Amino acid sequence: GESVGLHLPTLSVQEGDNSIINCAYSNSASDYFIWYKQESGKGPQFIIDIRSNMDKRQGQRVTVLLNKTVKHLSLQIAATQPGDSAVYFCAERTWFSSGSARQLTFGSGTQLTVLP
Amino acid sequence: DAGVTQSPTHLIKTRGQHVTLRCSPISGHKSVSWYQQVLGQGPQFIFQYYEKEERGRGNFPDRFSARQFPNYSSELNVNALLLGDSALYLCASSPFEENIQYFGAGTRLSVL
Repeated sequence: GESVGLHLPTLSVQEGDNSIINCAYSNSASDYFIWYKQESGKGPQFIIDIRSNMDKRQGQRVTVLLNKTVKHLSLQIAATQPGDSAVYFCAERTWFSSGSARQLTFGSGTQLTVLP
Repeated sequence: DAGVTQSPTHLIKTRGQHVTLRCSPISGHKSVSWYQQVLGQGPQFIFQYYEKEERGRGNFPDRFSARQFPNYSSELNVNALLLGDSALYLCASSPFEENIQYFGAGTRLSVL
């Protein structure tokens, strides 16, 4: 199975509320994590990233938290808007088996639905 | 500025056929990666190319191959198509090997 997984496959929130999307990873050697947003019919869109030497990083309306002790990531979206409805993926960067470079391993995604 | 562009957007093939998918990276980006995304799942890594060299390969059979051209565009080839190859194929580019990857909209491949 994949080393990156999500706790909840779907999440529904009221417009204006805060959203929290969780992600577990299993590779303790992963040093970099990214959250992507994928809308229907489109490719994944970069939201925010965080390196393993950080616990928290903030962007515009989004915050990513990293807990290396329990290998857990979360994406917080403040004041969720209808345009935030999409599938959200976390991805971790791990080394190729050849050791030559690193690849992204994605989880299966969480569908966020914003209710009016 | 143009983002990552992929062609064609949709493709229908029959089992046993061959397919070639194309990707043009963002201008200035030298690294291209290919992913397969099956419906309801996250993208799965297939290949990464940097400066026209293969830098990594995911757990895919030898029916899958790719290459990167001097202008940094890339092709993904799949031979002897199987029904299970039906998926969205995504291309991503980045300035260097380990930067943030920016994705195209993908090519939807249906194998009948």
